[in-house]
Amino acid sequence: NAGVTQTPKFQVLKTGQSMTLQCAQDMNHEYMSWYRQDPGMGLRLIHYSVGAGITDQGEVPNGYNVSRSTTEDFPLRLLSAAPSQTSVYFCASSPGTGILDGYTFGSGTRLTVV
Amino acid sequence: KQEVTQIPAALSVPEGENLVLNCSFTDSAIYNLQWFRQDPGKGLTSLLLIQSSQREQTSGRLNASLDKSSGRSTLYIAASQPGDSATYLCAVNSGYSTLTFGKGTMLLVSP
Repeated sequence: NAGVTQTPKFQVLKTGQSMTLQCAQDMNHEYMSWYRQDPGMGLRLIHYSVGAGITDQGEVPNGYNVSRSTTEDFPLRLLSAAPSQTSVYFCASSPGTGILDGYTFGSGTRLTVV
Repeated sequence: KQEVTQIPAALSVPEGENLVLNCSFTDSAIYNLQWFRQDPGKGLTSLLLIQSSQREQTSGRLNASLDKSSGRSTLYIAASQPGDSATYLCAVNSGYSTLTFGKGTMLLVSP
């Protein structure tokens, strides 16, 4: 059981380039979300999804795009990378919002934009 | 808007000490609260999940308490070890499909 798998683990982009961070889960979880982690800022929500075909914006959505065509996958697209998007990105999933439902996190993608 | 605060931001203790990490949140209408551990350069590992109706949850040397009415949770670590050195994150699930995180407590346990 792999849990939440993120690829790639590391990436260096030039300003203006685009790329997609991949996230896949094999737990049949309905809820998936993307966070970025920056020193002194903690983890901040970028986008989230409550099921296939449904996505919504979080606290810091600008410059990012998401879609959810399957339950398993929730890719995060950087449309035109900027140095301010240098960060560590985490994908997470949860069965739902029941009181017993916790979140499982991937191992992260460390992105540097130069 | 839910806000989560963790105190202290950093903590350094000698091996063997019992210690308490604190987490407070502003909106008591929560579904559950999760404590995570993060090692440097790594992902988040879930330690304990405490439901809104629970007062305590235990796993090995870890004990998490929850006082929903006062907006507080504590993580108690018994007999600390150097391997406990990590950043501990508190995250609140308020039922809006996401988590709200504190900024964490960085723990260093010295031999």
